Amino acid sequence: AQSVTQLGSHVSVSEGALVLLRCNYSSSVPPYLFWYVQYPNQGLQLLLKYTSAATLVKGINGFEAEFKKSETSFHLTKPSAHMSDAAEYFCAVSEVRDDKIIFGKGTRLHILP
Amino acid sequence: KAGVTQTPRYLIKTRGQQVTLSCSPISGHRSVSWYQQTPGQGLQFLFEYFSETQRNKGNFPGRFSGRQFSNSRSEMNVSTLELGDSALYLCASRGDPPTVSNGYTFGSGTRLTVV
Repeated sequence: AQSVTQLGSHVSVSEGALVLLRCNYSSSVPPYLFWYVQYPNQGLQLLLKYTSAATLVKGINGFEAEFKKSETSFHLTKPSAHMSDAAEYFCAVSEVRDDKIIFGKGTRLHILP
Repeated sequence: KAGVTQTPRYLIKTRGQQVTLSCSPISGHRSVSWYQQTPGQGLQFLFEYFSETQRNKGNFPGRFSGRQFSNSRSEMNVSTLELGDSALYLCASRGDPPTVSNGYTFGSGTRLTVV
């Protein structure tokens, strides 16, 4: 069965510093992988997705993620944090043959001035 | 183009009552999914509808049901509400073809509070 583990329920970084949010997945077949962001009292917004094309995926708002099959990881990064990046981030996985998406527990990103 | 619209945004119900939530997908999207989000359990898949047929279902009791209309609008219903049903209910739609590679577009959710 597929699953997602997000390391760290809370991550704090200083404004201008590197953002790194960790995600490891488990899937018996090549997966589709996603990162979503949720702002308070809002739904989820798709940041980026991996669908077996390039392993380095660029998303919106300067975020990117790298698919590493050997490490079963799909970590999210951004070179320089901005105050507006403060939100909750969800990693998600789905298998090609399955239509539903399984979400991780989420990581709340705090940006320190 | 308009996004996914969920109504109402907030709802307060009493234990034992039933509730109906509505979701209008992006125009042209025929696949609609529902998720429950709680602090303890996170985001959990409820069900997916495509062209008025339930295509996939999560592990929720039969009190949770849904339907989809010919215009792709979807409703979910929860009967005999319990305190534990308090959650943010999110609806999402996908483009055609409705494959998972398209990713979901989510609405802002309906915050249900059961008292």
